[in-house]
Formats: sequence, structure tokens, C-alpha cells
Amino acid sequence: ETGVTQTPRHLVMGMTNKKSLKCEQHLGHNAMYWYKQSAKKPLELMFVYSLEERVENNSVPSRFSPECPNSSHLFLHLHTLQPEDSALYLCASSQDLTGGVGTQYFGPGTRLLVL
Amino acid sequence: AQSVTQPDIHITVSEGASLELRCNYSYGATPYLFWYVQSPGQGLQLLLKYFSGDTLVQGIKGFEAEFKRSQSSFNLRKPSVHWSDAAEYFCAVGARGGSQGNLIFGKGTKLSVKP
Repeated sequence: ETGVTQTPRHLVMGMTNKKSLKCEQHLGHNAMYWYKQSAKKPLELMFVYSLEERVENNSVPSRFSPECPNSSHLFLHLHTLQPEDSALYLCASSQDLTGGVGTQYFGPGTRLLVL
Repeated sequence: AQSVTQPDIHITVSEGASLELRCNYSYGATPYLFWYVQSPGQGLQLLLKYFSGDTLVQGIKGFEAEFKRSQSSFNLRKPSVHWSDAAEYFCAVGARGGSQGNLIFGKGTKLSVKP
């Protein structure tokens, strides 16, 4: 799905590093999401933004910090991560949150390895 | 609270054979229902969705799914599997009337296709 792009595709970082994941959607959507996908676990919703306002934060540790400067861009700032944070981080967007959920379109993900 | 169960972790079928992937959900009313597919190293691609109306839903790549309220199921089917269908398949449930865009995903079913 080329409508949602994510960079970088792969990232290796030490526990003391600071890095950022970027997501951009070219679909004209108003809602954006961050998910974490770990092996053998269901997708975990981390953050939801609608019209640049955060509407959901599912008890995510403060070492993950989202930023949504406009409706097309979403960032996930990372600092002092732990090895258990290694996972595939997926970004998604939807037209809006109408009726509680709009069809979500996903990016290819960033594979993160924390050493 | 909503939940999604995909009872089969891994299924292997022969190319050309029919396929059915099971999905059961728990929700107090009629939910929004989705099937996504994920190829290795990729994000999730929407196969099909059910919001209302006809309970038999057609999707991309020759897939279909049937919503059965009495069984709380939304099974995915394909009459003839192709080698390129090998991937992981995720069923997801969304709540009607909410405001947060949450989707609850199952743990996924990995499909292998034998030549």
C-alpha cells in the first residue's frame, strides 16, 4: 500500500540512543495510528491521532513519544528503549473515526532492533 | 470488551485447494469486521470488510468472508489457493459508536501453500 510510507524500514539502536520513526500518508486522511507488532502477540495499538489531536494512548511507556505536526505526518520519537521494545512498528491512517472506526490503511512498517 | 480469536496458528494447503480461515469475535453488538493480509516484511493490506448489509462480503484477490451473527464468526474463504497467497492473515474487530478508532486484532493465521 504505497499510500502510507514509513522511514526508516530498518533501525538498530542502542539503549541510550534517541531516534525517530516517520510516517507519511498520501491519502488525505484525518486519522493516524501507531501499532506495535511483536512475535506471537496480537497487534497492539499504541497511539491514535485525529486531526492532529491525540485521542488514544494505550498505556504506552513514556520512552515512546508521538508527534503529529499535521494530518499527513506522524512521528514516533524513541529514547532509552529496552531490548523488549524490539518489534515491527506499523503506522496506519484512516479517513476519520466515523462510527468509532474507519477502514485503516497500513504502511510497510519499521523493523526496530534494540541492542 | 471486544476480543478476536483465530484458532488456527498455522495452516498448510495445497495449491489449487480451497481455503477457510476461522475468526470468532466477542462483542455485545454487531461490530465492524475486517480481514488483513501481511506478507513477510510488509505491512498489512486490507482484504475485505463488513460494516452492514449483505453478510457475504467479496474482497480482493478472490477472497470472500461471511458474517454469521449466530456463531459470532467471520470466516475467510477462497475457492482455489495460489502460491502467492502464502502470508499471515489477521482478523480484526472494531466497535460501533466509539470515538477512538480502535481495532482489536487476532493473533493471526500463517498460511503455507504446498506446490
